[in-house]
Amino acid sequence: QVQLVQSGAEVKKPGASVKVSCKASGYTFTGYYMHWVRQAPGQGLEWMGWINPNSGGTKYAQKFQGRVTMTRDTSISTAYMELSRLRSDDTAVYYCARDLRLSEGAGIHLWPMYYYDFWGQGTLVTVSS
Amino acid sequence: EIVLTQSPATLSLSPGERATLSCRASQSVSSYLAWYQQKPGQAPRLLIYDASNRATGIPARFSGSGSGTDFTLTISSLEPEDFAVYYCQQRSNLITFGQGTRLEIK
Repeated sequence: QVQLVQSGAEVKKPGASVKVSCKASGYTFTGYYMHWVRQAPGQGLEWMGWINPNSGGTKYAQKFQGRVTMTRDTSISTAYMELSRLRSDDTAVYYCARDLRLSEGAGIHLWPMYYYDFWGQGTLVTVSS
Repeated sequence: EIVLTQSPATLSLSPGERATLSCRASQSVSSYLAWYQQKPGQAPRLLIYDASNRATGIPARFSGSGSGTDFTLTISSLEPEDFAVYYCQQRSNLITFGQGTRLEIK
């Protein structure tokens, strides 16, 4: 069965960086885009970007450009999201989420569908001085 | 940025009743809209994508309709496990989510 298991909660000071991991199992890790979505306490959902685990290619939401870096290690089927220059309003639960569609079909590269069928359990990142 | 407005903010119903949740987009998103269910302390769960396609394993009591700017999620007969927060999400132009509708037990 598909599982995405994320790293544990973090507490960081303003200006620091945080790196969250997401270990995938139960499917071919390189076959699906991985997205990152965050949710501030009591708030709605906010898309941050994606990584293509096969190529390492990324796309970030403009809001996070310059502060977020998404990487992966295919040898251990793990995706990472690093957010730098943390502020108090970055306090949120961060989720990894698998794209609904395969990244390749019949040898043709496909763009993500931007719907998310499997999610990690979430990682709470608290930014506080 | 496309703004998604969900209504009502809170819906109070009893098990067995029909639930109708609305999502309105600030501009057309064609059929590029999804619905998610989220329970406290859990990640969202994909219910519907492309406005009317049920995701794998989603019960038939969940259905989606609409196109353009107006969308509806209908739960035909509420089960106790359906009481949760529901979000809509569009992928037509960047990615945005609605603010959510809380479905609570009356």
